[in-house]
Amino acid sequence: QSALTQPASVSGSPGQSITISCTGTSSDVGGYNYVSWYQQRPGKAPKLMIYDVSNRPSGVSNRFSGSKSGNTASLTISGLQAEDEADYYCSSYTSSYTRVFGGGTKLTVL
Amino acid sequence: EVQLVESGGGLVQPGGSLKLSCAASGFTFSGSAMHWVRQASGKGLEWVGRIRSKANSYATAFAASVKGRFTISRDDSKNTAYLQMNSLKTEDTAVYFCTRLGFDAFDIWGQGTMVTVSS
Repeated sequence: QSALTQPASVSGSPGQSITISCTGTSSDVGGYNYVSWYQQRPGKAPKLMIYDVSNRPSGVSNRFSGSKSGNTASLTISGLQAEDEADYYCSSYTSSYTRVFGGGTKLTVL
Repeated sequence: EVQLVESGGGLVQPGGSLKLSCAASGFTFSGSAMHWVRQASGKGLEWVGRIRSKANSYATAFAASVKGRFTISRDDSKNTAYLQMNSLKTEDTAVYFCTRLGFDAFDIWGQGTMVTVSS
């Protein structure tokens, strides 16, 4: 199972919006609505930000949103804030009954 | 408080074995699927494997990179999951996280335990 494809880095200024893509195949991202997104700050455990493509857990800011089209899922962060600077990972269920992560995207807030 | 606490990490020689534990509290462990995820230094997250609940026959699954070398078990009476790692390779060096599958996603994470495979 190959890792899902994410851009290595994205950046934006405070107040702007950014989108991180996550591309897989019909055997993972495209085949199931079990895509999730995680935020990880240095030295910390990942934190769930989006589940089932577009749902936010309680306590996660509504500035975070998710979507999917075909084999590509996306995480959008609107009204960018300095505290959003972190690594972001997507994950998907797969047809092999396993899970797979994306390679991760480093978000820099300029 | 809802939490997962990993333990058992350390330094092991190539070809050796190590068993990690993941102690859960604050939620219904017995009904939860538990997964292991690892992260090599400076690298991304890699899914390692999972064990489902008793209701799902304690079914396990593993990433190709560890299949045949790693096993996962659980003791619901102790609210603990385990990752048994055999035939360890230098490329298995990483922080190992246990995590619960909730909302079809990994909603609770431990702090991680470091495993170093080196001679």
